[in-house]
Amino acid sequence: EDKVVQSPLSLVVHEGDTVTLNCSYEVTNFRSLLWYKQEKKAPTFLFMLTSSGIEKKSGRLSSILDKKELSSILNITATQTGDSAIYLCAVEQGGSEKLVFGKGTKLTVNP
Amino acid sequence: EPEVTQTPSHQVTQMGQEVILRCVPISNHLYFYWYRQILGQKVEFLVSFYNNEISEKSEIFDDQFSVERPDGSNFTLKIRSTKLEDSAMYFCASSVQGWGYGYTFGSGTRLTVV
Repeated sequence: EDKVVQSPLSLVVHEGDTVTLNCSYEVTNFRSLLWYKQEKKAPTFLFMLTSSGIEKKSGRLSSILDKKELSSILNITATQTGDSAIYLCAVEQGGSEKLVFGKGTKLTVNP
Repeated sequence: EPEVTQTPSHQVTQMGQEVILRCVPISNHLYFYWYRQILGQKVEFLVSFYNNEISEKSEIFDDQFSVERPDGSNFTLKIRSTKLEDSAMYFCASSVQGWGYGYTFGSGTRLTVV
């Protein structure tokens, strides 16, 4: 069975801290890995990673894929209370339309 | 920024009743999807739809479920005879090219079956 596992499941930090969220996967015919941020309801797209070792950055957020280790990390530097959300990792497989999601990491940033 | 719109935001229904969840995808998108998220669990794929037909469906998407694009703008998910375990948040998504990069999710319909 295809699996996407995220860790930790929840994390509480103070504003200004740096956090690293992890995602590992075991899927057949891997095509890409995606990170989403889920606040109140709709998951909003952050990054898509297809090539190993290439870092994607957007402001304080960055992500990198390790195809050898079948994993990805999402880093958030100088966290703000607005970063509080559930961060979802999802994997896309070749030959399939679906995304396979992990359970998510619930990040709480306290002032 | 273009949005995927879902209605209603919350629906309560009696077990055994039929429900229709509605979605208006982004206008130039060609691929449409339904996902669901049972409280505290993972987001799960239900079905994908392209060129007026189902292109892929999961084991969850049994005969109780159907999808339709009745008028070229709306995309609906029908559950014929709801069960308690159908209670979940249902997300519609659309994509220009069927790749994960292009997925835009709607804000969801919370379905509560009582």
